[in-house]
Amino acid sequence: QQQVKQSPQSLIVQKGGISIINCAYENTAFDYFPWYQQFPGKGPALLIAIRPDVSEKKEGRFTISFNKSAKQFSLHIMDSQPGDSATYFCAARSNDYKLSFGAGTTVTVRA
Amino acid sequence: GAGVSQSPSNKVTEKGKDVELRCDPISGHTALYWYRQSLGQGLEFLIYFQGNSAPDKSGLPSDRFSAERTGGSVSTLTIQRTQQEDSAVYLCASSSPGARNEQFFGPGTRLTVL
Repeated sequence: QQQVKQSPQSLIVQKGGISIINCAYENTAFDYFPWYQQFPGKGPALLIAIRPDVSEKKEGRFTISFNKSAKQFSLHIMDSQPGDSATYFCAARSNDYKLSFGAGTTVTVRA
Repeated sequence: GAGVSQSPSNKVTEKGKDVELRCDPISGHTALYWYRQSLGQGLEFLIYFQGNSAPDKSGLPSDRFSAERTGGSVSTLTIQRTQQEDSAVYLCASSSPGARNEQFFGPGTRLTVL
């Protein structure tokens, strides 16, 4: 069973727009929530991550919003660029190493 | 510095054959992970090695799957008597214990079982 549920499966956004990807989890033992970016033919690469003691983390155009009580977290890509077109995975980790991944969201940014 | 490397990048095999997939982790990384990524799916954890500790094999889908890590470095994932449902991208990652224990992924091996 998938421990992290991710939506939408895909999205299309215009250049300069905002992309929003949502994830939800059930396991309260998760204590680290990373987002990965994957380009075709490449392995996933860590984009940004958050721990549950903060509600928001921003790095450049990428922001994670975290709602501990709702057990939900989301990735916002501001001012989306064509180079952001990729598949994005949310993940959650417990016991210091095992990552549980969402199913992924394919983002297409139209110029 | 060099990242995680995997070989081969692509492997086509016939149903029933055995395959071996190789992973070279980042030098100095003590932890190594194997994941499977099926089309349209997220990454599925297979196995985890940490130093000399017993590996966590809880994600291996059947006894046809096995993995070794020799000398605390290179790892080989072996799939015996391959089935069509084994077709997927097999990803390896490595990490070094630290504040984030960030996992660095290789480019993967795309396995196609005909």
